[in-house]
Amino acid sequence: SQTIHQWPATLVQPVGSPLSLECTVEGTSNPNLYWYRQAAGRGLQLLFYSVGIGQISSEVPQNLSASRPQDRQFILSSKKLLLSDSGFYLCAWEGGGLVNTGELFFGEGSRLTVL
Amino acid sequence: AQSVAQPEDQVNVAEGNPLTVKCTYSVSGNPYLFWYVQYPNRGLQFLLKYITGDNLVKGSYGFEAEFNKSQTSFHLKKPSALVSDSALYFCAVRDPGDKLIFGTGTRLQVFP
Repeated sequence: SQTIHQWPATLVQPVGSPLSLECTVEGTSNPNLYWYRQAAGRGLQLLFYSVGIGQISSEVPQNLSASRPQDRQFILSSKKLLLSDSGFYLCAWEGGGLVNTGELFFGEGSRLTVL
Repeated sequence: AQSVAQPEDQVNVAEGNPLTVKCTYSVSGNPYLFWYVQYPNRGLQFLLKYITGDNLVKGSYGFEAEFNKSQTSFHLKKPSALVSDSALYFCAVRDPGDKLIFGTGTRLQVFP
């Protein structure tokens, strides 16, 4: 069966420090991968998605970047965090190409607090 | 362009009573429709989806949803609510081949 892992689960960082959140998927190949941010426990904002290694699409101009160095690894980064980067970050995957069944499967999230 | 609306920020229901969480959508073609649930400080969990076929879709934890094409709605329902159903519920829609679009979420509070 497929599983998705995100870490760290919780992170407290000072303003101006770097960020790296990691997401890996197991049990599938060539997944489409997504990073979302959820502010104040409500709506989801799509940040990045990727359909393959090295292929990143950015949905919203941010102080953030994403990379996909391996097929099942998706990394969210920042060189210098802002207070507004605080939030709950969710990674998600779906089957790529013909194995896509329409729904996304989410990780457990990473809560980032920038002080 | 596709969009989805959840008109209620919060729904309150007594335990044992039926519950409904509303969702309406707008897409250019035949929609794929989804419901997710989120418990505090957790990721979203997939509940059910409608792709094609029977308009009444059954999902996890006793939830079901009815696809109504004429009203462009996909309301989530459960015949008898549990306190443990209290959570944040998201409706989502996608045109085939396009990205998933989420609603703003509805907080369900079930009172004992």
